[in-house]
Amino acid sequence: GNSVTQMEGPVTLSEEAFLTINCTYTATGYPSLFWYVQYPGEGLQLLLKATKADDKGSNKGFEATYRKETTSFHLEKGSVQVSDSAVYFCALRLHTGFQKLVFGTGTRLLVSP
Amino acid sequence: DSGVTQTPKHLITATGQRVTLRCSPRSGDLSVYWYQQSLDQGLQFLIHYYNGEERAKGNILERFSAQQFPDLHSELNLSSLELGDSALYFCASSLNTGELFFGEGSRLTVL
Repeated sequence: GNSVTQMEGPVTLSEEAFLTINCTYTATGYPSLFWYVQYPGEGLQLLLKATKADDKGSNKGFEATYRKETTSFHLEKGSVQVSDSAVYFCALRLHTGFQKLVFGTGTRLLVSP
Repeated sequence: DSGVTQTPKHLITATGQRVTLRCSPRSGDLSVYWYQQSLDQGLQFLIHYYNGEERAKGNILERFSAQQFPDLHSELNLSSLELGDSALYFCASSLNTGELFFGEGSRLTVL
């Protein structure tokens, strides 16, 4: 089946540290890949996406590259801020059939000053 | 603001009761998705409607049902509630193959 595996959290960092949140996927076919972010008390917001192999999604200093050979879509940011504290969800969506998003379990990021 | 509106934002009820959660999708979006977010299960896909028709079912209990109306808003009905149904219920909408836009969720507490 189709699934997403994320590293377990929480990930605790100091401000300006480098962030990596690992995400790997299993899919029948070639999915689009997404990172969503959920700030406390809010719904999920799309952070970035990539629709085909070797695409790099980027937004707000975050980046992730669609790696077909390793079936990965790791999220990175060079210098995190306290305001980045949130839960980050990796997700995939197939191009065929109905476009359900399959989510990973989420990784909580805590950034301290 | 995603443009997706969910009501109520918070709901507290007792076991055995029935509740209805409402979702208004973004203007023009034909698809509505319902997800359940609980601490132990993460984000679980419940059901998808497209232009009034059910398109896919996920891990939705028989006690739960949903529909999408001609004006494209959707309702999720939860009946015979149990303690374990306490969760955040999210609605998301999309046009066709575009990204999903999520509402802020309805937090259900069953006592």
